[in-house]
Amino acid sequence: DAGVTQSPTHLIKTRGQQVTLRCSPKSGHDTVSWYQQALGQGPQFIFQYYEEEERQRGNFPDRFSGHQFPNYSSELNVNALLLGDSALYLCASSGLGAGELFFGEGSRLTVL
Amino acid sequence: GQQVMQIPQYQHVQEGEDFTTYCNSSTTLSNIQWYKQRPGGHPVFLIQLVKSGEVKKQKRLTFQFGEAKKNSSLHITATQTTDVGTYFCAGPIASYDKVIFGPGTSLSVIP
Repeated sequence: DAGVTQSPTHLIKTRGQQVTLRCSPKSGHDTVSWYQQALGQGPQFIFQYYEEEERQRGNFPDRFSGHQFPNYSSELNVNALLLGDSALYLCASSGLGAGELFFGEGSRLTVL
Repeated sequence: GQQVMQIPQYQHVQEGEDFTTYCNSSTTLSNIQWYKQRPGGHPVFLIQLVKSGEVKKQKRLTFQFGEAKKNSSLHITATQTTDVGTYFCAGPIASYDKVIFGPGTSLSVIP
């Protein structure tokens, strides 16, 4: 039973570019949440997707957008990258209403 | 907005000593969750507490949820080098709400 998978694992971009990160949830899970984790800090909630809709959103600008597909996989898009967007981006899946979050290994984004 | 704080930020202990981290939320939580993140790794779920005053144990780890459902603690008895990592508390205000994480407590164990 595959857990949460994310791709790519590492990537380097320059300021102003755009990036797309991908996530496949754990089998049986229908809810995907995205978090940004800067070095030495706790995960910061970006948004959550359920039934292909954005259900909840954290305090992130509109440059951060996402999508969920019918197979429950999800994408996180970040436009007009800033140096401050450098972080580990974590995808977590869960069953709706279930507390436990299963995290993928993350995508480490470096913006130069 | 909802804020979750943790103290201490860092803790260095000799192997065999006990360790405690404390978590406080600005708002009442539906439940409290604890995660462990090893260096270079991703957060891994440890436990969820739901009831006011609830106490749960996992081997050497004891988790407590406060009566007001706004604070929690994690206590590790007789730390081992395998306990090294950052411990995060997290919780939603409502069952279907977003899960907000604290800043974490980084534990180092000196062998």
